[in-house]
Amino acid sequence: GENVEQHPSTLSVQEGDSAVIKCTYSDSASNYFPWYKQELGKGPQLIIDIRSNVGEKKDQRIAVTLNKTAKHFSLHITETQPEDSAVYFCAASIGGGGADGLTFGKGTHLIIQP
Amino acid sequence: ETGVTQSPTHLIKTRGQQVTLRCSSQSGHNTVSWYQQALGQGPQFIFQYYREEENGRGNFPPRFSGLQFPNYSSELNVNALELDDSALYLCASSPGGTGTNYGYTFGSGTRLTVV
Repeated sequence: GENVEQHPSTLSVQEGDSAVIKCTYSDSASNYFPWYKQELGKGPQLIIDIRSNVGEKKDQRIAVTLNKTAKHFSLHITETQPEDSAVYFCAASIGGGGADGLTFGKGTHLIIQP
Repeated sequence: ETGVTQSPTHLIKTRGQQVTLRCSSQSGHNTVSWYQQALGQGPQFIFQYYREEENGRGNFPPRFSGLQFPNYSSELNVNALELDDSALYLCASSPGGTGTNYGYTFGSGTRLTVV
């Protein structure tokens, strides 16, 4: 089955700086890669996703890049703000999930220092 | 538009007991999936329901079972509880139908503690 590795486990950046979180996946058949933000006491919230026919996608301060050859994808957050502090999860699946669901990484705890 | 709601929010059970967790899907969503999230880990896929049938399952034993009702709400049942079943159980709904989980919306989860 699919295996997703996520790095780093903890990332501390100064407010206003950029943050980058990286994930690798094992199954070349995976074609859907969402990113989730989870705040304390809440469920994961979808913040951006990308499908394998696209190399990059951007939404305001958030962007995701995908390298299918190397089987890795990354989340980029620019101009970080205190409210960006949370745990971020990457995930991968075939066709958006279904029979195999989403396979998640172990998460990155992002800390924004004031 | 209401989101995904789960009940109860917290639950304490004794090893060997049975538990039922409930989920109401987001309005307009017909597919429900359940995930188990251990402390400090990412969510793990348990199973997915579409049109009241299970159409996908992760690596969980048969004592984890579920139901989906005509209004798309769902239940997760766990029999013969073990200490390792202690976790946050997340329900997610999506509008995609069978074979797709695009646009998941997660609930806030049920925190289950087995003692």
